Amino acid sequence: GENVEQHPSTLSVQEGDSAVIKCTYSDSASNYFPWYKQELGKGPQLIIDIRSNVGEKKDQRIAVTLNKTAKHFSLHITETQPEDSAVYFCAASEPGNQFYFGTGTSLTVIP
Amino acid sequence: KAGVTQTPRYLIKTRGQQVTLSCSPISGHRSVSWYQQTPGQGLQFLFEYFSETQRNKGNFPGRFSGRQFSNSRSEMNVSTLELGDSALYLCASSYDTGGGEQYFGPGTRLTVT
Repeated sequence: GENVEQHPSTLSVQEGDSAVIKCTYSDSASNYFPWYKQELGKGPQLIIDIRSNVGEKKDQRIAVTLNKTAKHFSLHITETQPEDSAVYFCAASEPGNQFYFGTGTSLTVIP
Repeated sequence: KAGVTQTPRYLIKTRGQQVTLSCSPISGHRSVSWYQQTPGQGLQFLFEYFSETQRNKGNFPGRFSGRQFSNSRSEMNVSTLELGDSALYLCASSYDTGGGEQYFGPGTRLTVT
């Protein structure tokens, strides 16, 4: 089955700086890559996603890039704010199959 | 549009008991997936139901089972509870099966004593 690895496991940045979280996957058949943000006491919230026919996608301060050849994708958060502090999860899935999640990155934005 | 709802939000059970958790998906969504989240293992896939049929199943023992009703609401059942079953159980819904946007509920926190 698919194997998704996520790095780093923890990340601290100063408010206003950028944060980058990276994930790799193993199954070349995976074609959908979502990112989730989970705040304490809540379920994961879908924040952005990308499909394998696209190399980059942006939504305001958040962007995701995908390198199909290298089988890795990354989440970029610019101009970080304290409310960005949370645990972020990447995932990968292929048509008709389950989602495989990374182990999470705990992001702390220091005011 | 209302989000995914899960009941109950918190549950305390004793070893050996059984438990049933409920999930109501977003209106119009036909697929429901269940996950177990623990600090050590992260998010682990339990199973997915689509149109009342189990479509995918993760690597969990037979004590974990589920079902989906005709209105897409889903339940999962854990029998003969073990201490290691203590976790946050998350339900996620999507319009279709396999590869579409998946939206999570707030989870049910199960504690087994």
